[in-house]
Amino acid sequence: SQTIHQWPATLVQPVGSPLSLECTVEGTSNPNLYWYRQAAGRGLQLLFYSVGIGQISSEVPQNLSASRPQDRQFILSSKKLLLSDSGFYLCAWATATDPSSIQYFGAGTRLSVL
Amino acid sequence: LAKTTQPISMDSYEGQEVNITCSHNNIATNDYITWYQQFPSQGPRFIIQGYKTKVTNEVASLFIPADRKSSTLSLPRVSLSDTAVYYCLVGARLSGYSTLTFGKGTMLLVSP
Repeated sequence: SQTIHQWPATLVQPVGSPLSLECTVEGTSNPNLYWYRQAAGRGLQLLFYSVGIGQISSEVPQNLSASRPQDRQFILSSKKLLLSDSGFYLCAWATATDPSSIQYFGAGTRLSVL
Repeated sequence: LAKTTQPISMDSYEGQEVNITCSHNNIATNDYITWYQQFPSQGPRFIIQGYKTKVTNEVASLFIPADRKSSTLSLPRVSLSDTAVYYCLVGARLSGYSTLTFGKGTMLLVSP
């Protein structure tokens, strides 16, 4: 069966520090991968998606970047965190050939920028 | 992308059936209707998906009228553990990737 792992679960970082969140998927090949952010009490905002190694599309301009160095690894990064980067970050995957687009989410990372 | 509208919140009691309706007036021919459940500090969890008519699984039922401009998620005999946010999404895979937009969802509160 397929599983998705995200770490760390929680993170407290000072303003201006770098960020690296990692997501890996097991049990599937060539998945579509996604990074979302959820601010407190709000819906999910799609940040990045990837359909293959090295292929990254951004949905909103921001202080963040994403990379996909391996087929089942997706990394969210920042060189200098802002206070507004605080939130709940979620990684998700979907079967590339699935027309119904069901996405499966990781447990999330709670990021607090102080 | 089809926009969805659903109630911000709903209240219910244990043992009752809960129906959450979602409007998606500009749904496209290729779009599927998918519902997710999210507990605090957890990722959304897939509940059910449908294209037309009725779909039922071990967790819920999804009713979709012929015009597909709305859908209703039905949760039979809810329990306290069903307290969560429920998201209705409409979308499909386009050009090699799936595109889904999450709104604010419906906060369901189940009381004893």
